[in-house]
Amino acid sequence: DIQMTQSPSSLSASVGDRVTITCRASQSISSYLNWYQQKPGKAPKLLIYAASSLQSGVPSRFSGSGSGTDFTLTISSLQPEDFATYYCQQSYSTRFTFGPGTKVDIK
Amino acid sequence: QVQLVQSGAEVKKPGASVKVSCKASGYTFTSYGISWVRQAPGQGLEWMGWISAYNGNTNYAQKLQGRVTMTTDTSTSTAYMELRSLRSDDTAVYYCARSIPGGNGMDVWGQGTTVTVSS
Repeated sequence: DIQMTQSPSSLSASVGDRVTITCRASQSISSYLNWYQQKPGKAPKLLIYAASSLQSGVPSRFSGSGSGTDFTLTISSLQPEDFATYYCQQSYSTRFTFGPGTKVDIK
Repeated sequence: QVQLVQSGAEVKKPGASVKVSCKASGYTFTSYGISWVRQAPGQGLEWMGWISAYNGNTNYAQKLQGRVTMTTDTSTSTAYMELRSLRSDDTAVYYCARSIPGGNGMDVWGQGTTVTVSS
């Protein structure tokens, strides 16, 4: 199976900060990389698909980039509602896998 | 509106089986796949498997192969996930999610079903 890693595992940031989360795949996955946001007690929400495409209804402060093995999720100006855990997920293989998550909390 | 509604919480003893349902509405059921994802308490997301609602093809996570079966009933637009030989580490919230063709993510999620395995 393709292994996904994320860094950092957690970060503290302030409202208005620019936040960058990195995801790395154990082999090339082209652009088959999706990003999700999850808040406590809630189901995950799709933010970015195909590495850089913004899901409908998701604010434009979220963006994704990368291809091959290295990917980035950027929040350009952190808002109060963005404090959550973020997961990457590969869909290159027929067996999908998630990264371990990055928790973003308030500084 | 597009939604997935899952069955209610379950409490099972070790060694038992559980079957969770996921009823879809608001879209053409057979045009999408359904993935199942679980989350143990305080842990991350674990992909369990996927089923095509069009033809019933499945892909399962290696670690669950042999214990999990995913099916669909197109007449009722419902997907099912059965997990057998339950262990305590199967205690988790189980989610179904609509899978967009082409690997473009899971865009609609059920509300989650809590499965507790305890003697």
